[in-house]
Order: sequence, then C-alpha cells, then structure tokens
Amino acid sequence: KAGVTQTPRYLIKTRGQQVTLSCSPISGHRSVSWYQQTPGQGLQFLFEYFSETQRNKGNFPGRFSGRQFSNSRSEMNVSTLELGDSALYLCASSETTSGEQYFGPGTRLTVT
Amino acid sequence: KNQVEQSPQSLIILEGKNCTLQCNYTVSPFSNLRWYKQDTGRGPVSLTIMTFSENTKSNGRYTATLDADTKQSSLHITASQLSDSASYICVVSLMNRDDKIIFGKGTRLHILP
Repeated sequence: KAGVTQTPRYLIKTRGQQVTLSCSPISGHRSVSWYQQTPGQGLQFLFEYFSETQRNKGNFPGRFSGRQFSNSRSEMNVSTLELGDSALYLCASSETTSGEQYFGPGTRLTVT
Repeated sequence: KNQVEQSPQSLIILEGKNCTLQCNYTVSPFSNLRWYKQDTGRGPVSLTIMTFSENTKSNGRYTATLDADTKQSSLHITASQLSDSASYICVVSLMNRDDKIIFGKGTRLHILP
C-alpha cells in the first residue's frame, strides 16, 4: 500500500495570503488528522476528520480550517497567514479514529 | 491538566552505546502510549504502542516500558547506530469519546561515530 502523501512538500507564502495543503491517506483509512509542528511547541493537534465529518478540533484560531472529501482525501486551509504560521504541517491517517496513525512527510510552510 | 513531559530534551551518545529516554504523563483516563521516531524532515514513524495492561513492548533494538501506576514510560535503545539519530516523541491517548491525543515535545538524540 502507498503511504500517506502530502502536497506540496514545500511552500513559501507572504503574510496575509492564504494557503491550502492537501493530504491523501493510506487506501482504506477513513480518519485523517492534521498537526502543526514547530521547534518550540512540538506537535500540536489541529483537527481530525472521519467520514467527511470533523470529530475533533485543537486550540487554533478560526483561520485554520479543513475538510475531508468522500474519498477520504483531506485539505487544510490557513487564511490571512501570519509569520508564526511557519511550521511543518503533518497529516496522519488511520483506519479508525482510535487506530494507529501513519504520518505523511509533511508540508514545510514558510511565511515571509 | 493533561500533559506529557519528556526528558532529556536532547542527548548525545557514541555509536554502539545504549540509552534510555523518559516520558512522564499526567493524562487521565489513559488509553494507550506510543513512541514515535521522527527523522529530520520526515513525518513520525510509530515504534511501539502499549495499552494500560502492557508494561513492555519491543521492536528490534527498541524496547518501551510502561508503569501505569507511576505514569512513566521509557524507551531503551540498545547498541545505538548512526541511523538512530532522530527525535523520539512520546504520545499518550485519552480514553474518552473524543479520543484526544497528547504529544510530548520529544527528545533529540544524536549518535556520534
């Protein structure tokens, strides 16, 4: 089986812009979670989707949003980018909401 | 407050030596504990997963232990190799309807030749 894929792998944006990141889970996995990783804070949970429904949401402002499609692929959107949004954004998929998570390689977002 | 604390923050050892990484948690109700390895520029990869009733789990040269009474876990690496240089992240899941996950900030391990 192919692993979790994320596109793009690298992205440079300027403050105020918006960005959309994409995640394709492992075939058969219906749960997709998104995380933000920064050197100072480590991994922080953004949100989780299962069967196109958001099940969980972390403590991030409303500028961060996501969605999941019927084929389980997921997108994450960040509007009005701030310098502090520079981070590695990781997506993880699992068969169920409590199953083992498999991470993608991440998207490195740099906001200038 | 549900927290996961890892120590040390970073560790440098010589190739071939053993090392132990620590994870203390104040998470309740506990569901399971995972150790992940994250190479630089890559996503985390699961090493071990333990539920409340398991107190040890091995994966090759990696052995994780869990003491649910003291809420402590350790990851022991035997005969370290240069490829073990990575961040090791302890992750604890809560047993509740939302299946919340708490991440530690990780231990950065450097293996020197």
